[in-house]
Amino acid sequence: QSALTQPPSVSGSPGQSVTISCTGTSSDIGNYNLVSWYQQPPGTAPKVIIYEVSNRPSGVPDRFSGSKSGNTASLTISGLQTEDEADYYCSSHTKGNTLAFGGGTKVTVL
Amino acid sequence: HLQLQESGPGLVKPSETLSLTCTVSGGSITTNDYWWGWIRQPPGKGLEWIGIIFYSGSTYYNVSLKSRITISVDTSKNQFSLKLTSVTAADTAVYYCARQYGYGKWYLDLWGRGALVTVSS
Repeated sequence: QSALTQPPSVSGSPGQSVTISCTGTSSDIGNYNLVSWYQQPPGTAPKVIIYEVSNRPSGVPDRFSGSKSGNTASLTISGLQTEDEADYYCSSHTKGNTLAFGGGTKVTVL
Repeated sequence: HLQLQESGPGLVKPSETLSLTCTVSGGSITTNDYWWGWIRQPPGKGLEWIGIIFYSGSTYYNVSLKSRITISVDTSKNQFSLKLTSVTAADTAVYYCARQYGYGKWYLDLWGRGALVTVSS
């Protein structure tokens, strides 16, 4: 059982927006602005697309955005594109100085 | 540019020790900017953080695995390693090494390609 809770799947048509939630506790997401999001296309290693809740690394399209409210973080993909089809994982620093991951969300572009 | 590469046996027998090494190329492991870590992913499942090490040897481990894991660093070879003892089929996974940004930022900004380790007799 993962420490952080994500929906197993979300889907949308090209051009639409989708949002993935990531729910933790006051010992992780709720107490630190250290949430990151990773994109993992099939058969590849994960790649960070959001760090520190809402920051995008260089080269990541601005259609990816992150936010947080209380114990829940969210990743929004605006203007969904076919190449965005992948698994997405959230993670957060925890009170015990570890890193917790969510169970992953499969994004399907219809 | 900096790259990470996992290496080690792809098949380990139950109850034995899994050993993997990550070689860092294109940059030095002895930097104050990053920690170096291991993450695993069972087939068809999600990611699990195993632990991280600083070049000085300081470590943080996943509490659920702490009794079975050791992460070490060899700065002379620009490598860090993972040992996982008493393995079972549940330890079958793709094992990734990765670079974790330091200064309290706690995110993994560079990953290796991963190495599949199967636990089977």
